[in-house]
Amino acid sequence: DGGITQSPKYLFRKEGQNVTLSCEQNLNHDAMYWYRQDPGQGLRLIYYSQIVNDFQKGDIAEGYSVSREKKESFPLTVTSAQKNPTAFYLCASSTGTSGGETQYFGPGTRLLVL
Amino acid sequence: DAKTTQPPSMDCAEGRAANLPCNHSTISGNEYVYWYRQIHSQGPQYIIHGLKNNETNEMASLIITEDRKSSTLILPHATLRDTAVYYCIVRVAMGNAGNMLTFGGGTRLMVKP
Repeated sequence: DGGITQSPKYLFRKEGQNVTLSCEQNLNHDAMYWYRQDPGQGLRLIYYSQIVNDFQKGDIAEGYSVSREKKESFPLTVTSAQKNPTAFYLCASSTGTSGGETQYFGPGTRLLVL
Repeated sequence: DAKTTQPPSMDCAEGRAANLPCNHSTISGNEYVYWYRQIHSQGPQYIIHGLKNNETNEMASLIITEDRKSSTLILPHATLRDTAVYYCIVRVAMGNAGNMLTFGGGTRLMVKP
């Protein structure tokens, strides 16, 4: 099946701990994105990547880091600097970034702080 | 950036058409209108998008006014499974720098038997 997978579905973080959320796509898409969603709210962009080995900060990048070493993978690390990490995290991908390309979303990871 | 305004909630009877409005009065000429929906605790699902002309696919129809300041998503025969939050989004074009979707609060559509 083609699509975007995220793992794990649920993730628990202890205070002061870094955790990494996985996002993989087999759609051969160049661009990938990470969004955060808080209860009852819309999505906010954390980071995005247009191409391998390149990524840009979104609106709320503080306390997060990413890497894009492979085209199909765009992991997100929630660092201890992120003081309010409890949220629903969504990964997306698209064929490109310059026109009317559609973004397709993964199923999401729910992060909870213990 | 173009912002969108949607009613926070709407009800629709099962089998009837659901018409979801969206205002985007500050939209720029090269910005697309996208619609996604999100069922509770799942990732957003792409529905349809358009620039100027009306669009139709197997899920829905998108009607964009001539001045492009508003649009309507039409689900022709709503089912209980269409109950979700529907987001109207104007794609923020950043040229070579990226392609960002700005999600607002959306419309919570409740399809009732």
